[in-house]
Amino acid sequence: DSGVTQTPKHLITATGQRVTLRCSPRSGDLSVYWYQQSLDQGLQFLIQYYNGEERAKGNILERFSAQQFPDLHSELNLSSLELGDSALYFCASSAIQGSNEKLFFGSGTQLSVL
Amino acid sequence: DQQVKQNSPSLSVQEGRISILNCDYTNSMFDYFLWYKKYPAEGPTFLISISSIKDKNEDGRFTVFLNKSAKHLSLHIVPSQPGDSAVYFCAASGTGGFKTIFGAGTRLFVKA
Repeated sequence: DSGVTQTPKHLITATGQRVTLRCSPRSGDLSVYWYQQSLDQGLQFLIQYYNGEERAKGNILERFSAQQFPDLHSELNLSSLELGDSALYFCASSAIQGSNEKLFFGSGTQLSVL
Repeated sequence: DQQVKQNSPSLSVQEGRISILNCDYTNSMFDYFLWYKKYPAEGPTFLISISSIKDKNEDGRFTVFLNKSAKHLSLHIVPSQPGDSAVYFCAASGTGGFKTIFGAGTRLFVKA
């Protein structure tokens, strides 16, 4: 158990809809990262937050947004969903904001857009 | 732009033999490299790492080698065990940056 909790584990929705994925980091970790893994793809970095502030952005679509709340949990909002958004979304956390830090991953949210 | 590449999608090895997983990177600013292991229905878990000031790091059956001039690293598993069957991700990060870049992963099959 990594200590990172992601909910829900599975999500099935239709095109055009909006969903929210939730992540609770390990106790004490201030950094939260979101990654997307599509079929046969690696982990694509989406966005990072540190103590409530956005720190880095990767290949995140404009239809996607995220935030980190004062209690350090994070939410990833995906809107106007398309079939191609179907993927496994991972949240990870680390203790500090810098690089060179190993990440602790949740078990992911499997999103299926039909 | 794939800055971290794992060119072998899969690898099959006999139990007891050595497994060698390879990874190449393009960004010379990367100075820290990690390997993660992922089982089905689970998130990736950290396996081993290496700083760019080293060329080898060992942890039990797992050894990571770094060749900075070639921008290449490899993970050696000796001896391989059936429980090592998983997807292995190579990852890299750089000082001053705040994101870790992952490769596409290599699926390792260890046959009993």
